[in-house]
Amino acid sequence: DSGVTQTPKHLITATGQRVTLRCSPRSGDLSVYWYQQSLDQGLQFLIQYYNGEERAKGNILERFSAQQFPDLHSELNLSSLELGDSALYFCASSVGLQETQYFGPGTRLLVL
Amino acid sequence: AQSVTQLDSQVPVFEEAPVELRCNYSSSVSVYLFWYVQYPNQGLQLLLKYLSGSTLVKGINGFEAEFNKSQTSFHLRKPSVHISDTAEYFCAVSTRGSARQLTFGSGTQLTVLP
Repeated sequence: DSGVTQTPKHLITATGQRVTLRCSPRSGDLSVYWYQQSLDQGLQFLIQYYNGEERAKGNILERFSAQQFPDLHSELNLSSLELGDSALYFCASSVGLQETQYFGPGTRLLVL
Repeated sequence: AQSVTQLDSQVPVFEEAPVELRCNYSSSVSVYLFWYVQYPNQGLQLLLKYLSGSTLVKGINGFEAEFNKSQTSFHLRKPSVHISDTAEYFCAVSTRGSARQLTFGSGTQLTVLP
């Protein structure tokens, strides 16, 4: 157990819908990262937050957005969902900006 | 930008045999290197990391890796594998900067056969 929690574990929804994935980092960690794992794209970095502020953006679609709240938990919002958004979404956290990242168990999203 | 190549998508090996999973990276700046393991239906677990210092890094579960700067490689090895080592293994790099997002390889499925 890495100490990073993600909810829900599984999510099934329809095209065009909007979902919110939640991540609670390890106690004391200020950085949160979001990654997407899909069969065709592999593991890709989406976005990073540090102490409430966005620090880096990767291959994140405009339909996707994220935020980190004052209690340091983070949410990833996915809207206008398409079939191709079906994937495993991981959250990771680290103490600061330079340390090792620890991954949560992931949220498996299925868009039908 | 950096990239990671894992040369073998699948590696079958018999139990108690040695194994090497290959990883090569490309980057114009200094990097940190990682190996993560993903068991079926689970998240990513850190096996080991190279940040600086000794190029031979020891990790959990008897795994080790060697950083070779001239070959831009970070191959993962274990002298004797167990059935429980069956999993997908990912090599990853990050650059030494203020936002250390990871760039992953495509993964190597290690299957240990009885």
